[in-house]
Amino acid sequence: EVQLVESGGGLVQPGGSLRLSCAASGFTVSSNYMSWVRQAPGKGLEWVSVIYSGGSTYYADSVKGRFTISRDNSKNTLYLQMNSLRAEDTAVYYCARENLERGFDYWGQGTLVTVSS
Amino acid sequence: QSVLTQPPSASGTPGQRVTISCSGSSSNIGSNYVYWYQQLPGTAPKLLIYRNNQRPSGVPDRFSGSKSGTSASLAISGLRSEDEADYYCAAWDDSLSGSVVFGGGTKLTVL
Repeated sequence: EVQLVESGGGLVQPGGSLRLSCAASGFTVSSNYMSWVRQAPGKGLEWVSVIYSGGSTYYADSVKGRFTISRDNSKNTLYLQMNSLRAEDTAVYYCARENLERGFDYWGQGTLVTVSS
Repeated sequence: QSVLTQPPSASGTPGQRVTISCSGSSSNIGSNYVYWYQQLPGTAPKLLIYRNNQRPSGVPDRFSGSKSGTSASLAISGLRSEDEADYYCAAWDDSLSGSVVFGGGTKLTVL
């Protein structure tokens, strides 16, 4: 059974850093495209970043230069390092498996990041 | 502002058919597949339609998708109370490397 479990969210001050983790089971992270998608309180979905199976990474303009997506193949885990956090980064962050045919076919339960002083 | 445009709300009574539209451009819907996601209150999004009109196993055939040019639509027939949720369209965008663009979401209310 495919499962994605995020962790690492919490309250952080503006300018601070946080690292989110997404532990996968039932499939191999490194063989798939893996994305982070966020949802600000009461708002819609916003794609944040993707890491391809080959290792290429891409970011939304809103987080480029501040966020870094990576993976640990030995742990079958996806990460999102978030630096220079701003109030507008406050959101629930979901990791999702991205399939070229089926889109985001599996999602985690999400982890809440709150940026506030 | 979302790249894809959806109506913020839609409604219907049980048994009715409702449609939700999604408008984009040549760089996203016009040249790529459209996906639809359902988000029930307090839960993570769930894939509802892929490749414009395909349903994953387990999704009732009451849900159907279509695409024409730079627009797409989701139709729900035989509306049920459990269909009350937020619905999002999405597509890859060729003008933004690697990125997926979403619609702003449509809140469906079953009256």
